[in-house]
Amino acid sequence: AQKITQTQPGMFVQEKEAVTLDCTYDTSDPSYGLFWYKQPSSGEMIFLIYQGSYDQQNATEGRYSLNFQKARKSANLVISASQLGDSAMYFCAMRETSFFFSGGYNKLIFGAGTRLAVHP
Amino acid sequence: DAGVIQSPRHEVTEMGQEVTLRCKPISGHDYLFWYRQTMMRGLELLIYFNNNVPIDDSGMPEDRFSAKMPNASFSTLKIQPSEPRDSAVYFCASSLNRGGGEKLFFGSGTQLSVL
Repeated sequence: AQKITQTQPGMFVQEKEAVTLDCTYDTSDPSYGLFWYKQPSSGEMIFLIYQGSYDQQNATEGRYSLNFQKARKSANLVISASQLGDSAMYFCAMRETSFFFSGGYNKLIFGAGTRLAVHP
Repeated sequence: DAGVIQSPRHEVTEMGQEVTLRCKPISGHDYLFWYRQTMMRGLELLIYFNNNVPIDDSGMPEDRFSAKMPNASFSTLKIQPSEPRDSAVYFCASSLNRGGGEKLFFGSGTQLSVL
């Protein structure tokens, strides 16, 4: 079963506008973590933001924020004031932290990714 | 601090040849992961280690693939014999377990082309 779903293969946004990248997940584990990574055309994987399942507040890191809706099992990434350098692939990922549920601790599973293009 | 170091950055080989990819994790990290990235399948977890012990190799595609971690500072992913469908970017990543939201630090990847 698909654990991480990113339904937007591609998105575009005007420079300086905000954009939301969607991510839904599926788990029975009450303890898990959600991550977003950026992969620019150079290929490296860059960590952006993390949200724990027990965190009460939505995570924020500079221009990045995570819109965490636990009941809906969604963890959308919001990028405010888009910049040309934000053009990249964005991956949502989940780590189930219970050995009982995941059968293995610390396994990070990625979604298919969303390609974001920022237009001037 | 040095990040995760992978070598080589690029590897071009012919079908049937043995390929060995290398990874040096960040010092002190106790988890090491091997991922493969292709256009068709995205980022797939192949295998991961905890304290040098393989924990889950269910993602290894077939017996042609093997991975080792002889010590805390070195891991290899070997493909023997290689096939054109193995062409992909192979990432190594490491993390330090502190019980929750530890991010993975990725290497720059090895671009493998099997002709």
